[in-house]
Amino acid sequence: QSALTQPASVSGSPGQSITISCTGTSSDVGGYNYVSWFQQHPGLAPKLMVYDVSSRPSGVSNRFSGSKSGNTASLTISGLQAEDEADYYCSSYTSSDTRVFGGGTKLTVL
Amino acid sequence: EVQLVESGGGLVQPGGSLKLSCAASGSTFSGSDIHWVRQASGKGLEWVGRIRSKADRYATAYPASVKGRFTISRDDSKNTAYLQMNSLKTEDTAVYYCKYFDRSDSSDYWGQGSLVTVSS
Repeated sequence: QSALTQPASVSGSPGQSITISCTGTSSDVGGYNYVSWFQQHPGLAPKLMVYDVSSRPSGVSNRFSGSKSGNTASLTISGLQAEDEADYYCSSYTSSDTRVFGGGTKLTVL
Repeated sequence: EVQLVESGGGLVQPGGSLKLSCAASGSTFSGSDIHWVRQASGKGLEWVGRIRSKADRYATAYPASVKGRFTISRDDSKNTAYLQMNSLKTEDTAVYYCKYFDRSDSSDYWGQGSLVTVSS
């Protein structure tokens, strides 16, 4: 099972919106609505931001939203804030009854 | 407050074995799947495996990179999950996290991470 494909880095200015893509195949992202997004700050454990493609856990800002089209899922962060600067990872359930992560995207807030 | 506390990490020689524990306090995870995820220094997250709940017959799943070498188990009476790692390789060196997602309230819990170093 190959890792999902994410851009290595994205950047944006405070207040702007950015989108991080996560591309897989019909055997993972495209085949199931079980895509999750995690935020990780240096030295800390990952934090769940979106699950089941577009659902947000309680306590997560509504500035974070998820979507999916075909084999590509996306995480959009609107109204960028300095605290959003972190690494972001997508994850998907697969047809092999396993999970797979993306390679991660470093978000820089300019 | 729910906490997951991992233990058992350390230095082990290539070919050796190590068993990590993941103990939950503040809640019971008996109805949830438990996952293990690892992260090598400066690298991304890698899914290491999962064990389902008793309702799903404690079914396990692993990626090809650890299948046949790693085994996940759980003891719900102790609110603890385990990751038995055998035939360890240098590339298994990483911080290992346990986690579970409680769908009843969409809460996602992670341990603090346990460092495993495989080196001679």
